[in-house]
Amino acid sequence: EAGVAQSPRYKIIEKRQSVAFWCNPISGHATLYWYQQILGQGPKLLIQFQNNGVVDDSQLPKDRFSAERLKGVDSTLKIQPAKLEDSAVYLCASSWVIRNQPQHFGDGTRLSIL
Amino acid sequence: ELKVEQNPLFLSMQEGKNYTIYCNYSTTSDRLYWYRQDPGKSLESLFVLLSNGAVKQEGRLMASLDTKARLSTLHITAAVHDLSATYFCAVVTSGTYKYIFGTGTRLKVLA
Repeated sequence: EAGVAQSPRYKIIEKRQSVAFWCNPISGHATLYWYQQILGQGPKLLIQFQNNGVVDDSQLPKDRFSAERLKGVDSTLKIQPAKLEDSAVYLCASSWVIRNQPQHFGDGTRLSIL
Repeated sequence: ELKVEQNPLFLSMQEGKNYTIYCNYSTTSDRLYWYRQDPGKSLESLFVLLSNGAVKQEGRLMASLDTKARLSTLHITAAVHDLSATYFCAVVTSGTYKYIFGTGTRLKVLA
């Protein structure tokens, strides 16, 4: 099966600019996750979708981050305006609705803020 | 505060040796996952542990779960260079189903 697709792979922007990341999950996976992974740390969950709906966005900095999942398939994550501390790898993952299945991760987008 | 702590954070070991990575968590959990991450790459699922006493093995890696102690272990047997990577445990909290990743253990196996 095709894996989780993410784009772009790399992005360099200046602080206060905006940026958007795209994710296409594995076909049939109803659950989609966005994580932020700062260098040397474990991934931190930003938002979890089940189909179109948000299950958990408690750690999403809503003043600057937004995410949507239209039609329950692709998803975009946006940062506006970016801050220096947003430099990280943004990982998208997807999984089946069945609770015990592991998440499948994309290759991530490495974001550098100048 | 929900915490998932791994130790050691860094591990350098000789090929052929055995070692154990520990994952402690501070909340009740439905299930626990182990993932591997190679440098510059994404995470790959290794094990899913669903109940107290669960043990899973794949090749030179064996994972176990003690939900009463809130502890999971990842045991490496006769390490080889190809096992060099960062290993993460991830806990899913009971009831709220939040995913929390551990701090990661960076393993380097020396030839």
